[in-house]
Amino acid sequence: DIQMTQSPSTLSASVGDRVTITCRASQSIRTSLAWYQQKPGKAPKFLIYQASSLESGVPSRFSGSGSGTEFTLTISSLQPDDFGTYYCQQYNSFPITFGQGTRLEIK
Amino acid sequence: EVQLVESGGGLVQPGGSLRLSCAASGFTFSDRYMHWVRQAPGKGLEWVGRIRNRANGFTTEYAASVKGRFIISREDSMNSLYLQMNSLKAEDTAMYYCARPYSNSLSELYFDLWGRGTLVTVSS
Repeated sequence: DIQMTQSPSTLSASVGDRVTITCRASQSIRTSLAWYQQKPGKAPKFLIYQASSLESGVPSRFSGSGSGTEFTLTISSLQPDDFGTYYCQQYNSFPITFGQGTRLEIK
Repeated sequence: EVQLVESGGGLVQPGGSLRLSCAASGFTFSDRYMHWVRQAPGKGLEWVGRIRNRANGFTTEYAASVKGRFIISREDSMNSLYLQMNSLKAEDTAMYYCARPYSNSLSELYFDLWGRGTLVTVSS
């Protein structure tokens, strides 16, 4: 199975900050990577696919990059509504696997 | 409205069984492969399994952690997806989500539609 490792596990930042979350795959997954945001008590919300393509309706302050084994999710200017836990997911091969999550707190 | 609504969760003893349901609406359910994903309390997301559509024989795949104990099925006439869970263990305690991938292709196997989940607690 492909292991997905996110860092950091927890992140605290202020409104307006630029925030970056990293996701590493245990082997190459090309660009078969998606990102989700989850808020407490809610289902995950789909943000980004193919490593860098923004889902319709997702604010442009979110962006993704990377290929192979290293990927990043960047929020260019953090907003209060961006708190939550972020997960990466690989879909290069079965079984589909997720990162362990990065909890983003707003200072 | 395009949505997925899970039901059937609850408290069950170790070794017991439970059947979850997922009602789909607002899209052509019968065409789509469908998945189950779970999340243990305070933990991350874990893929559980998938069922293909009729054209692909309703074939299924499962995570190693549930293979041989869980069975995914569907009833297209009812726009419904099911998860039969047998021989339940404490570590199966989780919120269970049904999820629709963007398409049936592996190259687009990210989930653009999720239900709200149904909570399964395995405890004596």
